[in-house]
Amino acid sequence: DGGITQSPKYLFRKEGQNVTLSCEQNLNHDAMYWYRQDPGQGLRLIYYSQIVNDFQKGDIAEGYSVSREKKESFPLTVTSAQKNPTAFYLCASSINSNTEAFFGQGTRLTVV
Amino acid sequence: AQRVTQPEKLLSVFKGAPVELKCNYSYSGSPELFWYVQYSRQRLQLLLRHISRESIKGFTADLNKGETSFHLKKPFAQEEDSAMYYCALKVGSQGNLIFGKGTKLSVKP
Repeated sequence: DGGITQSPKYLFRKEGQNVTLSCEQNLNHDAMYWYRQDPGQGLRLIYYSQIVNDFQKGDIAEGYSVSREKKESFPLTVTSAQKNPTAFYLCASSINSNTEAFFGQGTRLTVV
Repeated sequence: AQRVTQPEKLLSVFKGAPVELKCNYSYSGSPELFWYVQYSRQRLQLLLRHISRESIKGFTADLNKGETSFHLKKPFAQEEDSAMYYCALKVGSQGNLIFGKGTKLSVKP
């Protein structure tokens, strides 16, 4: 099943530790996005990247970092500076900014 | 301010009844709106976009610029329509999506 893959599905982290969430796509899409989904909050944009080696902050970038060294990959690091990291994280990609976004299955991060 | 509002957290209807999921937006530019759906244990996926003016799975949505609305409608709900529905607005040249908080549709037998 090609498309956009997030791993792992579930992730547990101790408070104070950084953790990296993986997002890989084999759709040859230029644009990739990270969203955070909280109950009753909808989806909020963390970071996005329109092209390799370039990325921009979204609405809630504080406490997060990303890289885009390869077209297929857009990993998200949740740092210890993120005050409330427990959430469901969704990665998405699109051919470009004018086309439909395809979403991954998500990663549920729990800080213990 | 750019904003998408879905006033109903939960909408419960009986099978065969009409359903309307409300979405209002605030945006100074020319809006491009979408409905995304998330079925249980499945990934979020595009249901329809206003520029396509198509009907998907019996759902339609019309952009009303005067009322700044993009309500999703279906004349006869089915049990398999039960899901979480998100309205989204594309903003700026970057094409980022602003999502509403979602409406959970429950279709009872």
